Amino acid sequence: AQSVTQLGSHVSVSEGALVLLRCNYSSSVPPYLFWYVQYPNQGLQLLLKYTSAATLVKGINGFEAEFKKSETSFHLTKPSAHMSDAAEYFCAVNFGNEKLTFGTGTRLTIIP
Amino acid sequence: EAQVTQNPRYLITVTGKKLTVTCSQNMNHEYMSWYRQDPGLGLRQIYYSMNVEVTDKGDVPEGYKVSRKEKRNFPLILESPSPNQTSLYFCASSPSTQMGGTDTQYFGPGTRLTVL
Repeated sequence: AQSVTQLGSHVSVSEGALVLLRCNYSSSVPPYLFWYVQYPNQGLQLLLKYTSAATLVKGINGFEAEFKKSETSFHLTKPSAHMSDAAEYFCAVNFGNEKLTFGTGTRLTIIP
Repeated sequence: EAQVTQNPRYLITVTGKKLTVTCSQNMNHEYMSWYRQDPGLGLRQIYYSMNVEVTDKGDVPEGYKVSRKEKRNFPLILESPSPNQTSLYFCASSPSTQMGGTDTQYFGPGTRLTVL
């Protein structure tokens, strides 16, 4: 079955430290992959998306993600966390149909 | 300003009282969708619409109805709400005319519904 898994429902990092949020998917076809961010009391907005042009995708606010087909992963990283990065992050995958399947989300807390 | 709007933003109602949550987009997008967000479950798709007069079920359609009579509007209807429909609801739109799930989706601000 096609699915999306985000490891870690809560992640805490110190300000200035590396941010790593994990996303794995299961699919037999190349998917379209997305990361969305949800700030408190707001809707979701797109951080970045992979559409097969390049395996390393750069997004807004210094985030990037690397598509690794062999590992079926699309982990999100940022070299240096900022207080404003505190939010909930969702990995989403399209498996070649009309729907977008979301992971369960990872809440990122930044420690001053 | 390009946006997706939802109304109301907050709603408290009682079991069985019909309600409608409106969604409107001003980006001339073909694809629209409704999601519900619950703690620990992420976002789950309720219904989607590829274009006017074409709608289809998502993963959790039970207890919901939608209609797409105009391109810009996609209301979500709860004919007889129950407490298990207490949730945060998001409407989204996308420019894609074919594979709606492959294009960026633009989300509304959300509607927090409580059913007593």
